[in-house]
Amino acid sequence: GAGVSQTPSNKVTEKGKYVELRCDPISGHTALYWYRQSLGQGPEFLIYFQGTGAADDSGLPNDRFFAVRPEGSVSTLKIQRTERGDSAVYLCASSFNGNTEAFFGQGTRLTVV
Amino acid sequence: AQSVTQLGSHVSVSEGALVLLRCNYSSSVPPYLFWYVQYPNQGLQLLLKYTTGATLVKGINGFEAEFKKSETSFHLTKPSAHMSDAAEYFCAVSTSGGSYIPTFGRGTSLIVHP
Repeated sequence: GAGVSQTPSNKVTEKGKYVELRCDPISGHTALYWYRQSLGQGPEFLIYFQGTGAADDSGLPNDRFFAVRPEGSVSTLKIQRTERGDSAVYLCASSFNGNTEAFFGQGTRLTVV
Repeated sequence: AQSVTQLGSHVSVSEGALVLLRCNYSSSVPPYLFWYVQYPNQGLQLLLKYTTGATLVKGINGFEAEFKKSETSFHLTKPSAHMSDAAEYFCAVSTSGGSYIPTFGRGTSLIVHP
């Protein structure tokens, strides 16, 4: 596609529920990143994929968070047993080969009530 | 380790005035540096980048930034502010030691007064 696409744009869920956030990167980009942005803060790194594998998942806050990229394109960020503190905008980005600039999607605003 | 510090969470200027947003980085290896802009309820858009070569880089919308290794700085400037420049601006650094994963600053909100 023309740009990085994230769905849904907004997600409201109840505390304790499971959510999945989807990212469709720019075609041909091998690197994919997930970030989390809280109000008034900069993007905080969560996980980085190079191809199908998670090259760096050091930013995932705990084991409730997991992400996959099974075919090296679309990625899904999965959050189990959501907590109110998980409320944030989740941003996805991709880059051509991992050492060029990253292009961001519009983000998914997650609200846990 | 790599990090970025953006001085000033808010910068206020009058329309037509010079815009200066400050960014200092920390890195033990040569950095790649980026400025992104974020409008309300939108993702981040790349303004400009420095990787190697010329230290003064020009970006979109009339913005430019200068890489100063001796000062570990990458400040963003624009000679004349427009109302449409009002947004959140983020500086980011990436390095080979950090797998080129961008690390972002906390952002600076630019306010433009008529």
